[in-house]
Amino acid sequence: DQQVKQNSPSLSVQEGRISILNCDYTNSMFDYFLWYKKYPAEGPTFLISISSIKDKNEDGRFTVFLNKSAKHLSLHIVPSQPGDSAVYFCAARGNNNDMRFGAGTRLTVKP
Amino acid sequence: DVKVTQSSRYLVKRTGEKVFLECVQDMDHENMFWYRQDPGLGLRLIYFSYDVKMKEKGDIPEGYSVSREKKERFSLILESASTNQTSMYLCASGTEGAPPDTQYFGPGTRLTVL
Repeated sequence: DQQVKQNSPSLSVQEGRISILNCDYTNSMFDYFLWYKKYPAEGPTFLISISSIKDKNEDGRFTVFLNKSAKHLSLHIVPSQPGDSAVYFCAARGNNNDMRFGAGTRLTVKP
Repeated sequence: DVKVTQSSRYLVKRTGEKVFLECVQDMDHENMFWYRQDPGLGLRLIYFSYDVKMKEKGDIPEGYSVSREKKERFSLILESASTNQTSMYLCASGTEGAPPDTQYFGPGTRLTVL
């Protein structure tokens, strides 16, 4: 049973618009949430994270929002650029310092 | 720059073969992880290790074993490869106690079992 879920396998947006990627989790013990970006033939690379004690973290064009009561987080990319086209994985850290990943969302940003 | 390397980018094996996937990191990280990535399932944790000779099962350890004889090297072993183990395998390393955003991934090994 997946503890971290990304229900949208793909998302397509126009360049310059906002991209919103969503993630839900089931384990209330997760203490840290992360977003990774993955290009084909490469390993995932860290993008942005948020501690469970916060509800927002911003880094340039990327903002992550955490709603603990709803066990939901989202990644906002504004403005979206064609180079942002990749697969985005949501991840959460568990009790043993191990991480659980969602299935990923493939973002396509059209010029 | 942190570097996590995996011994092969592509590997083709036959059913029943014993398969070794090697991962090496050069940052003296305590923690190392093996995941597999499958379409629609994302990354699933197979095994992880906090220290030399220590290992912990992840979510899907069945059919796999691991070995960590040296701090920098973490091996994933498929004792008898099966077709359902065809997948992308990703290794990662990180520092004990550090925020998880300092976990780094290798480029992956795409294994095909015929």
